[in-house]
Amino acid sequence: NAGVTQTPKFRVLKTGQSMTLLCAQDMNHEYMYWYRQDPGMGLRLIHYSVGEGTTAKGEVPDGYNVSRLKKQNFLLGLESAAPSQTSVYFCASTVQGPNEKLFFGSGTQLSVL
Amino acid sequence: QQQVKQSPQSLIVQKGGISIINCAYENTAFDYFPWYQQFPGKGPALLIAIRPDVSEKKEGRFTISFNKSAKQFSLHIMDSQPGDSATYFCAARRLMDTGRRALTFGSGTRLQVQP
Repeated sequence: NAGVTQTPKFRVLKTGQSMTLLCAQDMNHEYMYWYRQDPGMGLRLIHYSVGEGTTAKGEVPDGYNVSRLKKQNFLLGLESAAPSQTSVYFCASTVQGPNEKLFFGSGTQLSVL
Repeated sequence: QQQVKQSPQSLIVQKGGISIINCAYENTAFDYFPWYQQFPGKGPALLIAIRPDVSEKKEGRFTISFNKSAKQFSLHIMDSQPGDSATYFCAARRLMDTGRRALTFGSGTRLQVQP
């Protein structure tokens, strides 16, 4: 059981370049999330999805777009990367309930030069 | 805006000692308070969680203490071991504008347990 898989694991971009981060889960979870992790700031929610074909903005959505065309996949796009987007990105999924448990991927380390 | 404030930022404890990490919140609509543990190069993993109608929850060496009136909760690690060395995040679940719920995380505490 792979759980939550993120690709790529590392990426270096130049300012203005675009890229897509892929998240795939094999647990049939309805809810999926994209977080960014920065030193001293914890994990901040970028976008999330409550089901196939639905997406919503989180706390820090500017500069990012997402799509959930298939239930198992959640894509995070950067159309024009900026140095402020240098971060570690985590995808997570869950079945929401009273005692929910988020399952996280291993992260993507992105550097924007 | 930090909705969940976590302290300390870093903590060094001797093997066998007690590690204590504190979190405070302001939004009384939070309905679920988990703690996540993260090892270097890995994603966070759920460690233990509590609901606001309970004042304490214990699982093995890990205990959450919850003070609803003070809007504070803390993680206690008893008999701390070198294998507990990791970054710990508190979190609180809130209602988003969409009517769905999502977690807001604290800033994290890097725990180092010395042998």
